[in-house]
Amino acid sequence: DVKVTQSSRYLVKRTGEKVFLECVQDMDHENMFWYRQDPGLGLRLIYFSYDVKMKEKGDIPEGYSVSREKKERFSLILESASTNQTSMYLCASTQGTYGYTFGSGTRLTVV
Amino acid sequence: AQSVTQLGSHVSVSEGALVLLRCNYSSSVPPYLFWYVQYPNQGLQLLLKYTTGATLVKGINGFEAEFKKSETSFHLTKPSAHMSDAAEYFCAVSTDSRGADGLTFGKGTHLIIQP
Repeated sequence: DVKVTQSSRYLVKRTGEKVFLECVQDMDHENMFWYRQDPGLGLRLIYFSYDVKMKEKGDIPEGYSVSREKKERFSLILESASTNQTSMYLCASTQGTYGYTFGSGTRLTVV
Repeated sequence: AQSVTQLGSHVSVSEGALVLLRCNYSSSVPPYLFWYVQYPNQGLQLLLKYTTGATLVKGINGFEAEFKKSETSFHLTKPSAHMSDAAEYFCAVSTDSRGADGLTFGKGTHLIIQP
């Protein structure tokens, strides 16, 4: 089974801090994604990447950036964390549409 | 651009009763459709998916869904609800066969099972 591993389950950060959320997949998938999940809003796509060093903006990229230096790792960066970025963050990977595999999520609280 | 509408943010059924979760999509090209389940404090788990071929799709845990192009629907059903089915359910759509453009999700339906 494909595994998508997010490095932290829970994070608490202060306003203005630079925050890194890490995601690693172990099945050589080309495509990786970062979603944000909020109650009543479902999942919204922040950024995605279809190849190393490639990145594309999703629906809500403002306040975020990403890095993909290696195929298996996709990092989400909050340049200056704000309280409205308190949320659940989910990473996913896929090769074609035959299965998007999600990590367990990182619940980020910005205080 | 595609979109997904899930009717009912909360659905409550009795244990043993039929489960019906509604999903309608909007897409200008043939869609790939998915249902995911999320248990508390966990990531999303794939229940089933429609890509091409048979329009009635069977998934895990006794769930199935039928793709109806004329109705732009992909409703999820289970004949008999179990207490362990209580969770959040998400319908999602993609239009890229490479999977490169990600999934567009509905807002989710919270399924409550009454004993």
